Amino acid sequence: GEDVEQSLFLSVREGDSSVINCTYTDSSSTYLYWYKQEPGAGLQLLTYIFSNMDMKQDQRLTVLLNKKDKHLSLRIADTQTGDSAIYFCAEVGTGRRALTFGSGTRLQVQP
Amino acid sequence: DAMVIQNPRYQVTQFGKPVTLSCSQTLNHNVMYWYQQKSSQAPKLLFHYYDKDFNNEADTPDNFQSRRPNTSFCFLDIRSPGLGDAAMYLCATSRELGNEQFFGPGTRLTVL
Repeated sequence: GEDVEQSLFLSVREGDSSVINCTYTDSSSTYLYWYKQEPGAGLQLLTYIFSNMDMKQDQRLTVLLNKKDKHLSLRIADTQTGDSAIYFCAEVGTGRRALTFGSGTRLQVQP
Repeated sequence: DAMVIQNPRYQVTQFGKPVTLSCSQTLNHNVMYWYQQKSSQAPKLLFHYYDKDFNNEADTPDNFQSRRPNTSFCFLDIRSPGLGDAAMYLCATSRELGNEQFFGPGTRLTVL
């Protein structure tokens, strides 16, 4: 079956860059997503990338996709305390109806 | 403007007392999903509707049911909540299956 893995925790200092990594197993993945979840809240779609792309940049966010290694990363430039949250990587493949989520990476930003 | 709305945000029920959670959307999306998320875990899909077609995940307990009376609304009914059903329940929508999903703020269910 499909599997998505993330490291559980990342701590950075305010102003530094954060890099959150994700690996997945399904070679038929078509879309890969990054969601942000703040405490007690729902999931906010941050960005996504099509599987035929290598990189996508959106303001402070950069998504890199290495399809050969099935590795996805999210880089947050100039990390702020408001970026503290759990970040979920998710993917969906051809013909599948549901997203497969990773277990989430808790990002802690120290002042 | 809120696009996926869930009510209530917090729900407290007693063990075995039926409860209904509500979701509505202004996006006119075809697909609506219900996820269960327990503390420090990834969301787990319970079921989804594509238009009026209901699709249950194989491991969703019979205790959980859903209704979608029209495009905009979808309900999650928990017939006899147990202590293990305490969780955040997330509703999401997408235009088509496999498209990006937009989530509501969730309803946190407490079972006493």
